[in-house]
Amino acid sequence: ILNVEQSPQSLHVQEGDSTNFTCSFPSSNFYALHWYRWETAKSPEALFVMTLNGDEKKKGRISATLNTKEGYSYLYIKGSQPEDSATYLCAFGEAAGNKLTFGGGTRVLVKP
Amino acid sequence: DSGVTQTPKHLITATGQRVTLRCSPRSGDLSVYWYQQSLDQGLQFLIQYYNGEERAKGNILERFSAQQFPDLHSELNLSSLELGDSALYFCASSLSGSYGDEQFFGPGTRLTVL
Repeated sequence: ILNVEQSPQSLHVQEGDSTNFTCSFPSSNFYALHWYRWETAKSPEALFVMTLNGDEKKKGRISATLNTKEGYSYLYIKGSQPEDSATYLCAFGEAAGNKLTFGGGTRVLVKP
Repeated sequence: DSGVTQTPKHLITATGQRVTLRCSPRSGDLSVYWYQQSLDQGLQFLIQYYNGEERAKGNILERFSAQQFPDLHSELNLSSLELGDSALYFCASSLSGSYGDEQFFGPGTRLTVL
């Protein structure tokens, strides 16, 4: 069973503050690392797919980094806004594996 | 709107019954994935189809089956339903079957088994 862990499970952020959280995954047999944003009562929405060690991706105020050798990825939110409130999921794709394994998510609440 | 459609949105049924969930992928996507989200569990991969053929199988029970039709829509069949099958079932699609492709999720079907 693959272990994909996200920490923290939840965090509260003041509007305007920046924050970051972690996805840990196996450091062997890496193929891809996905980040999804999941708002309440909606469906997960793809943010990034990263495949190379050292990858950095950015979409607006959200960015992500990838370290496949040590098995972690960080997601950063700069200048958090209330609309950033959501659960952020990472998913690990194993080389020669047949599925994405999702972490439990980090639930972010941005307080005005 | 991801372009992936799922019907029905809600389904309430009794134990022992059989239901069919339907998914239409985004236009141009060849691969369909089914996931289950239970109350206290993360997204669990059930099964993947690519261009009509089963590509990968995850934690799918023997009571569950799926198929992808020539028009690329997919159906997930759940039979002999138990209370524990109550969950949110998502369908996702991607361009190819590669896990380097982002997946586009449908709105989900919420199944309640009474």
